[in-house]
Amino acid sequence: EVQLLESGGGLVQPGGSLRLSCAASGFAFSINDMSWVRQALGKGLEWVSAITNSGGSTYYSDSVKGRFTISRDNSKNTLYLQMNSLRAEDTAVYYCARSSGALDSWGQGTLVTVSS
Amino acid sequence: DIQMTQSPSTLSASVGDRVTITCRASQSINIWLAWYQQKPGKAPKLLIFKASSLESGVPSRFSGSGSGTEFTLTISSLQPDDFATYYCQQYNSYSRTFGQGTKVEIK
Repeated sequence: EVQLLESGGGLVQPGGSLRLSCAASGFAFSINDMSWVRQALGKGLEWVSAITNSGGSTYYSDSVKGRFTISRDNSKNTLYLQMNSLRAEDTAVYYCARSSGALDSWGQGTLVTVSS
Repeated sequence: DIQMTQSPSTLSASVGDRVTITCRASQSINIWLAWYQQKPGKAPKLLIFKASSLESGVPSRFSGSGSGTEFTLTISSLQPDDFATYYCQQYNSYSRTFGQGTKVEIK
């Protein structure tokens, strides 16, 4: 069974940093592209970032480009999202998802709150 | 970036109704479109990929169609478990934009 378990969310002040992790199990992590998607409370889904299976290519939405960094450790079956210079508008539930083109498996999400 | 526009934003329907949701892309995305269902407090669930391919385990009352810039998700006979919010998403490019969502409510 595919499992994705996010962690690392919490309360952070504006301008601060946070690193999210997504532990994967039940599938061959190293051959799958992965993505991060976020959802502000009561709002729609927003794609944030993606990384290819080898980690060789990364992609970002305009709203996070230059502030967030996606990475992965295939030896640990773990996906990361380093978030710097956080803003109030980054407050959301962050989901990691496996990508087979479409996002076919999702974690349960981790809440990031940016507030003073 | 490719923009995705869903309509309607909210839909009121009854059990047994046929329901259709439309998604339009700002430029051609071929068939690289997915549909997701999301219930409150839960992660989204993939329903349809490549515009019309049904994800394993998804009931056959769900179907997708379209190509290029216009797509539809149809629920042939709405069931109580189907009241949820539905999103389209393009994956023609790595900037994988979502539509704004369509909430299907009980009439």
